[in-house]
Amino acid sequence: SQTIHQWPATLVQPVGSPLSLECTVEGTSNPNLYWYRQAAGRGLQLLFYSVGIGQISSEVPQNLSASRPQDRQFILSSKKLLLSDSGFYLCALTGYPNYGYTFGSGTRLTVV
Amino acid sequence: KNEVEQSPQNLTAQEGEFITINCSYSVGISALHWLQQHPGGGIVSLFMLSSGKKKHGRLIATINIQEKHSSLHITASHPRDSAVYICAVDMGAQKLVFGQGTRLTINP
Repeated sequence: SQTIHQWPATLVQPVGSPLSLECTVEGTSNPNLYWYRQAAGRGLQLLFYSVGIGQISSEVPQNLSASRPQDRQFILSSKKLLLSDSGFYLCALTGYPNYGYTFGSGTRLTVV
Repeated sequence: KNEVEQSPQNLTAQEGEFITINCSYSVGISALHWLQQHPGGGIVSLFMLSSGKKKHGRLIATINIQEKHSSLHITASHPRDSAVYICAVDMGAQKLVFGQGTRLTINP
């Protein structure tokens, strides 16, 4: 079955430091991959999605970027974190053989 | 108006009570997900529905496509059920819209 590995579960980073969150998937090939963010008191919102290696679509202008260097790897990055980047980040996929979305467990980022 | 509305926003109940959380959406969808987010923040996928009803243990999820409404029920609730429950609707074309979540607290 499809699974998503997302780490770390929690992360505390100082303002101005870089960020790299990684999401890797198993049990599928050529999935669509997604990064969502949940800011305090708000619902999860789509940040980026990718339909293939090197293909990234951005939904919301951010201090963040995403990359897909391999078919089953999706990376969320920032060169310099802001306080407003704090939140809960969730990776998800859609793809064969399951219908619908599969979710990672998420990363809670606190920028201090 | 939000595309996905959950109610109630907060719910406190006593152990053993029957719990219902509602989710309404405004457009046609291909599927609806119920997720659980524990205080530590991790997400657990509970159900994916496109019609009818699904049951897993003490959890039951129903969806009425015509009325654009889904419910999540918990029977014989327990303090370990305390979490945020999130409804997410798949509108197709890479669009998955999440509700704001319902914070459930079950007191012993």
